[in-house]
Amino acid sequence: AQTVTQSQPEMSVQEAETVTLSCTYDTSENNYYLFWYKQPPSRQMILVIRQEAYKQQNATENRFSVNFQKAAKSFSLKISDSQLGDTAMYFCALRTGNQFYFGTGTSLTVIP
Amino acid sequence: DTGVSQNPRHKITKRGQNVTFRCDPISEHNRLYWYRQTLGQGPEFLTYFQNEAQLEKSRLLSDRFSAERPKGSFSTLEIQRTEQGDSAMYLCASSDGLAGGQETQYFGPGTRLLVL
Repeated sequence: AQTVTQSQPEMSVQEAETVTLSCTYDTSENNYYLFWYKQPPSRQMILVIRQEAYKQQNATENRFSVNFQKAAKSFSLKISDSQLGDTAMYFCALRTGNQFYFGTGTSLTVIP
Repeated sequence: DTGVSQNPRHKITKRGQNVTFRCDPISEHNRLYWYRQTLGQGPEFLTYFQNEAQLEKSRLLSDRFSAERPKGSFSTLEIQRTEQGDSAMYLCASSDGLAGGQETQYFGPGTRLLVL
């Protein structure tokens, strides 16, 4: 069975500071992909960043980067220079085959 | 193209009634997914279509749930004999089906169902 665990239900960060959201996962599959999605209040979920498990290099998208530790099955998201628009629910997701498995989310608030 | 749309956005029904939701994916997206999201939880996979073929169904999808995607365009999700436990947000996502991790899912705004 595949599981995704986000142990931080809520986090806050000062504007312009850096914050790291944690995610651990479990799968017996060798071929899988990891994602972070953002769900702003009352808005649609959008993809933030993705990581192929076979790639050792950590993915980076502008202010967003991941720390992918395959042996530890850890996939954390770092947001640099936090902006007010980053306030949202963040979901970590695991894809194996054609199924996606989501964590319970971390609610991030950026404080002005 | 304005993205994935879902209708209705909200639905209130009485226990035992049937409901049907519609999802219009981004045009030319060949993959379509349905998820259920309850309060405080992440989306849970329900089913997946590749064009008009329903290729995977979660064990969460009981016999009361049925999904279709005629002609590989819009999709409908029907819940028969609704129960209070069916109350949730039902999300639809479509994707271009690029290989492996290059696939990007685009989510709709969801249909919030409340069963009284």
